[in-house]
Amino acid sequence: DTGVSQDPRHKITKRGQNVTFRCDPISEHNRLYWYRQTLGQGPEFLTYFQNEAQLEKSRLLSDRFSAERPKGSFSTLEIQRTEQGDSAMYLCASSLGLDLFTDTQYFGPGTRLTVL
Amino acid sequence: AQKVTQAQTEISVVEKEDVTLDCVYETRDTTYYLFWYKQPPSGELVFLIRRNSFDEQNEISGRYSWNFQKSTSSFNFTITASQVVDSAVYFCALSEASGAQKLVFGQGTRLTINP
Repeated sequence: DTGVSQDPRHKITKRGQNVTFRCDPISEHNRLYWYRQTLGQGPEFLTYFQNEAQLEKSRLLSDRFSAERPKGSFSTLEIQRTEQGDSAMYLCASSLGLDLFTDTQYFGPGTRLTVL
Repeated sequence: AQKVTQAQTEISVVEKEDVTLDCVYETRDTTYYLFWYKQPPSGELVFLIRRNSFDEQNEISGRYSWNFQKSTSSFNFTITASQVVDSAVYFCALSEASGAQKLVFGQGTRLTINP
């Protein structure tokens, strides 16, 4: 099985620019999650999709952040007007989402964002 | 609110020593799930184990073992006969049993195994 893939792996941008990240989940996984991890901390939940529906968003997800999963397959996370505080690793995870008693999230390699 | 605490920020041991990583959690839910993930220097989180709150059996997988104690809200992870390849940051995480089942992570323990 191909794992979760994310693109790009690294992104350096200037403050005020917009950036977009892509996540391709494991095939047939219905659930897709975005997390953010800053240096020395554990990942923090940002948002989650069940198929194409975005069902929950964290308060961490300000108005400058938007996520989509248009056909229930890949997902994009866009950050508008980036700020230095947005510098972090953005992690995507997917899970089958069929049996909640055994559901497990598998993570991609992440996109490291640096805002100058 | 759910919370996970990993009090050990860094641990350093010599190869072949046994090492235990502590994890304490807080939740008001009666049903919940606990996880351990490994994050090597490459950055990708690797799933190690999932434990349901109603299953308190300890588990062993090769050199890895997990001790789940509901009475003390702890889910500790032991590596026996540690190897250099075990060096990584290890995260304990907790999720609710319904809804998004989003993971709440601890701050991680950086484990260094010295040859």
